[in-house]
Amino acid sequence: AQSVTQLGSHVSVSEGALVLLRCNYSSSVPPYLFWYVQYPNQGLQLLLKYTSAATLVKGINGFEAEFKKSETSFHLTKPSAHMSDAAEYFCAVSEGLTGGGNKLTFGTGTQLKVEL
Amino acid sequence: DAGVIQSPRHEVTEMGQEVTLRCKPISGHDYLFWYRQTMMRGLELLIYFNNNVPIDDSGMPEDRFSAKMPNASFSTLKIQPSEPRDSAVYFCASSRPGTGGPPTNEQFFGPGTRLTVL
Repeated sequence: AQSVTQLGSHVSVSEGALVLLRCNYSSSVPPYLFWYVQYPNQGLQLLLKYTSAATLVKGINGFEAEFKKSETSFHLTKPSAHMSDAAEYFCAVSEGLTGGGNKLTFGTGTQLKVEL
Repeated sequence: DAGVIQSPRHEVTEMGQEVTLRCKPISGHDYLFWYRQTMMRGLELLIYFNNNVPIDDSGMPEDRFSAKMPNASFSTLKIQPSEPRDSAVYFCASSRPGTGGPPTNEQFFGPGTRLTVL
């Protein structure tokens, strides 16, 4: 069975500061990993994904994440936070070998607040 | 592409009434997922379909909930009778197998339907 743990349900950073959102996963097979962002009153939008290629994955809006198998982690980072980054962020895992469309297991989400 | 389309965007109803939520997946996608999101329980997978066939409905909370996918471009989630505890945002998402490379399992989400049951 697969699972995702997001440490910290709320994270607050100053504008211009580093953003670090933590995600640890558990999977019995090599995983596919995802970060989604949800802005208020909107659906989830894909930020980036890891699908067994490069371990450092770059996504939209300046975000990136590094897959570390030894730590079973897939933390999301951004060097400099912007006010527009305030949103909820979800980490998700999928059992990649079974192909497209397999269900995703989502973490409980991290609410990012960006302060002036 | 228009993306995943959901209707209505907002629904307010009274306890005991029937509610039907609708979803049109992205053309060519053969997986469709229904999720429910609440503050208390977060994002929950209710049911998903592959090629219009329900694959896993273990997340459907109870018999009051039912979902259908009569064709590749339309799905419904019905609650009958509705209760106040069903108030939530309901999302539909779709995905397809990867082409020209490894499958990615990426899901594309609709904007959601905000349901309020009074």
